[in-house]
Amino acid sequence: AQTIHQWPVAEIKAVGSPLSLGCTIKGKSSPNLYWYWQATGGTLQQLFYSITVGQVESVVQLNLSASRPKDDQFILSTEKLLLSHSGFYLCAWSLGTGDEQYFGPGTRLTVL
Amino acid sequence: GQQVQQSPASLVLQEGENAELQCNFSSTATRLQWFYQRPGGSLVSLLSNPSGTKHTGRLTSTTVTKERRGSLHISSSQITDSGTYLCAMEPGYQNFYFGKGTSLTVIP
Repeated sequence: AQTIHQWPVAEIKAVGSPLSLGCTIKGKSSPNLYWYWQATGGTLQQLFYSITVGQVESVVQLNLSASRPKDDQFILSTEKLLLSHSGFYLCAWSLGTGDEQYFGPGTRLTVL
Repeated sequence: GQQVQQSPASLVLQEGENAELQCNFSSTATRLQWFYQRPGGSLVSLLSNPSGTKHTGRLTSTTVTKERRGSLHISSSQITDSGTYLCAMEPGYQNFYFGKGTSLTVIP
């Protein structure tokens, strides 16, 4: 069975500090991977997607970057956090284009 | 940019009643998807269809791509159906734009 794990579960960070959020998918090779973000009370927005290792496409950047260093790993990061980065971050995977997406439990980020 | 409007914003039903959730979008879509957002924030994919009607269990999704609208029908609502329902449109594969959601409350 496939599992999707996100880390950390929650994080409190200072403005200007770096950030790294991770997502790992086990039990499925070469999945499509996605990062989403939702501000508290806001609309869910897609940030990035990746079809293959080393290849990441940006949908909405928000001063964040993403990387896919391994087939089963997707990393979201920034060198300097802004207050506006607070919110809920979701990672998802799918078998391929047009297929159902499966979401991780999410990471809640608070920037102070 | 892409806009996705969901209505109603909230809905209260008695158990056993049917729910009709609407989704309108501002540009051409290749597909419309419906998700259930758990109280903790994570999402569960419900239905996805490019056009026409699709069923699963008590859920029916209808997408009319040319008219830029879709709907999710929930029959015989149950208390456990309570939560937030999101629709997302895809103008092209791999890009998704979400609506703000419909908050559904089912009471006994």
